[in-house]
Amino acid sequence: KAGVTQTPRYLIKTRGQQVTLSCSPISGHRSVSWYQQTPGQGLQFLFEYFSETQRNKGNFPGRFSGRQFSNSRSEMNVSTLELGDSALYLCASSLEAGGGADTQYFGPGTRLTVL
Amino acid sequence: GQNIDQPTEMTATEGAIVQINCTYQTSGFNGLFWYQQHAGEAPTFLSYNVLDGLEEKGRFSSFLSRSKGYSYLLLKELQMKDSASYLCAVRARDSNYQLIWGAGTKLIIKP
Repeated sequence: KAGVTQTPRYLIKTRGQQVTLSCSPISGHRSVSWYQQTPGQGLQFLFEYFSETQRNKGNFPGRFSGRQFSNSRSEMNVSTLELGDSALYLCASSLEAGGGADTQYFGPGTRLTVL
Repeated sequence: GQNIDQPTEMTATEGAIVQINCTYQTSGFNGLFWYQQHAGEAPTFLSYNVLDGLEEKGRFSSFLSRSKGYSYLLLKELQMKDSASYLCAVRARDSNYQLIWGAGTKLIIKP
C-alpha cells in the first residue's frame, strides 16, 4: 500500500506570496492532520480534517487554512507569507479521527523557504 | 492544559541500552505514542501504549504508568542508525483527542 505523499517536496517563496501544499493520504485513511516543524521545535499542530470537515484547529493565524476533498486528499494554504513561515510542513493520515490506537502515518513533508 | 516533557538530548554508546523518559499532564488520557525521526525526515511510528505496563517490539520497548503520567522508551543493543530524535505524543479528551507532542529527545550514539 502506498504511503502518504506530499507535493511539492521543496518550495521557495518570497514574503507576501501565498502557497498551497498538497497531501494524499494512505488509501482508506479518512483523517488528515497538518503540522509545522521548525528547527528545535516540536511538531506544532495546524489542523485536522475528517470526512471533509475540520475537526480540530491549532493556534495559528487565519493566514493558515486547509481543506479536504471527497477522496480524502487535503490541501493547506498559507497566504501573505512571512519569513517565520519557513519550516517543514508535515501531513499525517490515519484511518479515522477520534482517538484510541488510531495511528498517524506521516508523509515526507514539504520544506518551505520564505525569502 | 496539557504538558509533555522529554529531555532535550541524550548520548549513549553503540551496543548499550538507553531509556528516554516522557512525562505528561492531561485530563482524560487516551493513549501515548512514540515516534522516531531521523534528521530531515518524517516521523515514523514506533509504539503505542494505553494500558499500564511494558510493550516490547524487538530492540525497542515502551512502558506506561498512567497513575504517574509517565512513559519511557527503552532501546537495547544500540546501533549507529538509532541516532535520531524520539518524539512522545499523548492523546487525551481535554485536547479533543488530537495528539499533543513533546519537543522530542535527540539521541546521539557514539562508537
